[in-house]
Amino acid sequence: SAVISQKPSRDICQRGTSLTIQCQVDSQVTMMFWYRQQPGQSLTLIATANQGSEATYESGFVIDKFPISRPNLTFSTLTVSNMSPEDSSIYLCSVGHAGGEQYFGPGTRLTVT
Amino acid sequence: DQQVKQNSPSLSVQEGRISILNCDYTNSMFDYFLWYKKYPAEGPTFLISISSIKDKNEDGRFTVFLNKSAKHLSLHIVPSQPGDSAVYFCAASRLLQGAQKLVFGQGTRLTINP
Repeated sequence: SAVISQKPSRDICQRGTSLTIQCQVDSQVTMMFWYRQQPGQSLTLIATANQGSEATYESGFVIDKFPISRPNLTFSTLTVSNMSPEDSSIYLCSVGHAGGEQYFGPGTRLTVT
Repeated sequence: DQQVKQNSPSLSVQEGRISILNCDYTNSMFDYFLWYKKYPAEGPTFLISISSIKDKNEDGRFTVFLNKSAKHLSLHIVPSQPGDSAVYFCAASRLLQGAQKLVFGQGTRLTINP
């Protein structure tokens, strides 16, 4: 399985500001995914990020709020824009494996005050 | 609409006994099912999966059973060990737009008592 790192591991941000989360993989992967886990909730897919194409967003998530970059096959960023306290969550990136499973990074714990 | 449900938020099991975690789904289009384990402050760790063409898959102490007619899957851990204490998520997927998008249940917190 791939080794996935995320930066930052946690942050406390003021409302109205933006935070960019980085996801780095130790091998080239085609599919990368971004998830959110709100407090006490399950993991929810935000978007699928393929290298060289626009990210595909799930219902309820929009590019203006969660812009994603995928400049190469080992790296992606998710920006949480114009943050509000409701954006306080754990944000996770994952990579898809040929067998269908996904492997996750350690997550970024975001608190918006 | 909760397509994947884990109705037990918590489960407590004695060390050495069998742990059984359950999961139900509503979307008959799901064709691949997975279990993940999550420790605090870590990302989910993939445990085991099963395709819809099978009804059982085994990997060491972990066995997943799939009952398609009942839209139900379960994870059996035997024997249970203290290190198994974690939150367990089941997930389901179907091939959409070339990606295996995962839909997760709410999780079950498993506690193994010595």
